[in-house]
Amino acid sequence: EIVMTQSPATLSVSPGERATLSCRASQSISSNLAWYQQKPGQAPRLLIYGASTRATAIPARFSGGGSGTEFTLTISSLQSEDFAVYYCQQYHNWPPKTFGQGTKLEIK
Amino acid sequence: QVQLQESGPGLVKPSGTLSLTCAVSGGSISSSDWWSWVRQPPGKGLEWVGEIYHGGNTNYNSSLKSRVTISVDKSENQFSLKLNSVTAADTAVYYCARADRGRFFDYWGQGTLVTVSS
Repeated sequence: EIVMTQSPATLSVSPGERATLSCRASQSISSNLAWYQQKPGQAPRLLIYGASTRATAIPARFSGGGSGTEFTLTISSLQSEDFAVYYCQQYHNWPPKTFGQGTKLEIK
Repeated sequence: QVQLQESGPGLVKPSGTLSLTCAVSGGSISSSDWWSWVRQPPGKGLEWVGEIYHGGNTNYNSSLKSRVTISVDKSENQFSLKLNSVTAADTAVYYCARADRGRFFDYWGQGTLVTVSS
C-alpha cells in the first residue's frame, strides 16, 4: 500500500499571500496524484488531477506540481473562501486508493 | 452534470449491518468509471472503503474486506454498501463518489452521517 504524507498539518497564511502545501508518496506514483479541498460540512471537491491539471471551474490561482514522490499544491493569492482542509490522493497503484491525512489551511 | 445522493439509516446498533445506497443521476452507472464509497470519521481524514464497476468487479479496503460488500443495480442506476458487524469505530460520514476511469474522484455525494450506537 502506498502511504501518502502531507505537511504541514496546519498552515497559517494571511489573505492575499501565497500558500504551498506538500504531499509525499512512500514510493513513486509518477503523476497519478489528485488534490481535493474540503470545507466544513461539505464533501471534498476535486481541484487537481494528474498532479498539475486543474479540474473544471477551478480558479487559476490553484496550481499543482511535482512527480514521482514529491508534490505541491500552491495557491497564489489566498482568498477568504480558500481556507479549508486539503487532501492529496494517489491513484497510481490501486487498490487501495489512498489519501494523505490532510493539511488545514487557516487564516493568520 | 452527474449527481450522487446517499440514502440509508443514520443510526445502526453495534454488531448490526450498515446499509447505504447511492443513486446516480445525470449519467450512467454503466460508464467507464468506478463507483466508490469513502468515509470520514468525525474530525478525521478520508478513508477509501471500496468500489465497484458496472460489470460487478469490486475492490475493497483490506482493513474492511471481511465485512464489506458493494453491489450495483444497473436497472436503478444505483450502487450500495453493506458493512457488517459494525462498531463505534465505523461511525463516520459516508460519501459515495465517482472515480473517473477508476482514478480520481470527480463527483461526490453530499455525504450521510452514520452513527453506531445502542
